[in-house]
Amino acid sequence: GAGVSQSPSNKVTEKGKDVELRCDPISGHTALYWYRQSLGQGLEFLIYFQGNSAPDKSGLPSDRFSAERTGGSVSTLTIQRTQQEDSAVYLCASSFGRGTEAFFGQGTRLTVV
Amino acid sequence: GDSVTQMEGPVTLSEEAFLTINCTYTATGYPSLFWYVQYPGEGLQLLLKATKADDKGSNKGFEATYRKETTSFHLEKGSVQVSDSAVYFCALSDQANTGNQFYFGTGTSLTVIP
Repeated sequence: GAGVSQSPSNKVTEKGKDVELRCDPISGHTALYWYRQSLGQGLEFLIYFQGNSAPDKSGLPSDRFSAERTGGSVSTLTIQRTQQEDSAVYLCASSFGRGTEAFFGQGTRLTVV
Repeated sequence: GDSVTQMEGPVTLSEEAFLTINCTYTATGYPSLFWYVQYPGEGLQLLLKATKADDKGSNKGFEATYRKETTSFHLEKGSVQVSDSAVYFCALSDQANTGNQFYFGTGTSLTVIP
């Protein structure tokens, strides 16, 4: 597609359930980022993928969070045993790599009830 | 490590006023600098960029100049409009970093009143 695509756009889940968020980056982009944005807050870095290199997972807030990127393209962010504090907008972005601008998807709004 | 420090908001201006949002950075390498804008209920959009010292990025009447001597990338607009109301994020991408190389400021909320 022309831009970064994220699905679902909205997700409501019960506390304790697992959720999967999907990101389709722009074709040809080697770098992919996940961020979290809580209501009225800034961007919290979660994880960064660059090509075939080991991902930078330094931003993942707990071991309930994991992400993978298959075939250097689509990425899935998984949150296990969701908690209410996980409620936020999860943003995905992609770029051609270091020094280049990142393009963002519209985000997935996750609500844990 | 790398970081971006951005002027705290919120900022409220009257239409046609002059806007400055300050941004300074710390980087180990030679970063590219960006301003992103987030309109209410929407995702982040790239507003402008500069890739080397003394470059000026511009778009939609907004400008920012990459100042290496002061490590700054302040956003300016001569005459704001109500439609400019949004949250503005300063960011850098550092080619020197082996890990995550995209860093964002905390964002500055701008409200323009008629």
